[in-house]
Amino acid sequence: SQTIHQWPATLVQPVGSPLSLECTVEGTSNPNLYWYRQAAGRGLQLLFYSVGIGQISSEVPQNLSASRPQDRQFILSSKKLLLSDSGFYLCAWSVILAGGNEQFFGPGTRLTVL
Amino acid sequence: KNQVEQSPQSLIILEGKNCTLQCNYTVSPFSNLRWYKQDTGRGPVSLTIMTFSENTKSNGRYTATLDADTKQSSLHITASQLSDSASYICVVSKNSGGYQKVTFGTGTKLQVIP
Repeated sequence: SQTIHQWPATLVQPVGSPLSLECTVEGTSNPNLYWYRQAAGRGLQLLFYSVGIGQISSEVPQNLSASRPQDRQFILSSKKLLLSDSGFYLCAWSVILAGGNEQFFGPGTRLTVL
Repeated sequence: KNQVEQSPQSLIILEGKNCTLQCNYTVSPFSNLRWYKQDTGRGPVSLTIMTFSENTKSNGRYTATLDADTKQSSLHITASQLSDSASYICVVSKNSGGYQKVTFGTGTKLQVIP
């Protein structure tokens, strides 16, 4: 069976500090991977997606970056955090079903920037 | 602009009662529609997925309907339980250059009380 892990679960960081959130998937090969941010009371916003190692597409301009050093590893980074980076960050992977693209989400990372 | 609107924004019901959540979308061309359940502080979990040709899909006490002509979907919860308390998110996908782009609704927050 497939599982998706994210860490850390919660993080409190000062403004201007760096960030590294990690996501790993087990039990599948060559998945599409996604990073979403969910601000309080708002819908999920797609930040990045990746269809393979080293292939990253950015959906919105921001001070975050993503990398995929291995097939089942997706990393979200920032060199200098902003207050507006606070939120709930979700990693997801997808599989193609008969009905279309099904996405499975990780447990999330709650980031608070102070 | 592709949008997914959900109503009501929040809902409180008594345990054992039924309820219906609404989702209207303007995403085009439509590929599939999914309903997710998101417990507080957790990642979303898929409940149902429907393509253009499907107008109803059930998963236990959850029944989703889809009217692709009017671009409306509903999620009906039967005999609600305390564990149904969560946010329910409608997600609509469209095909875009071989990749499925998804648009998330802001969700309906359901609270089931004893």
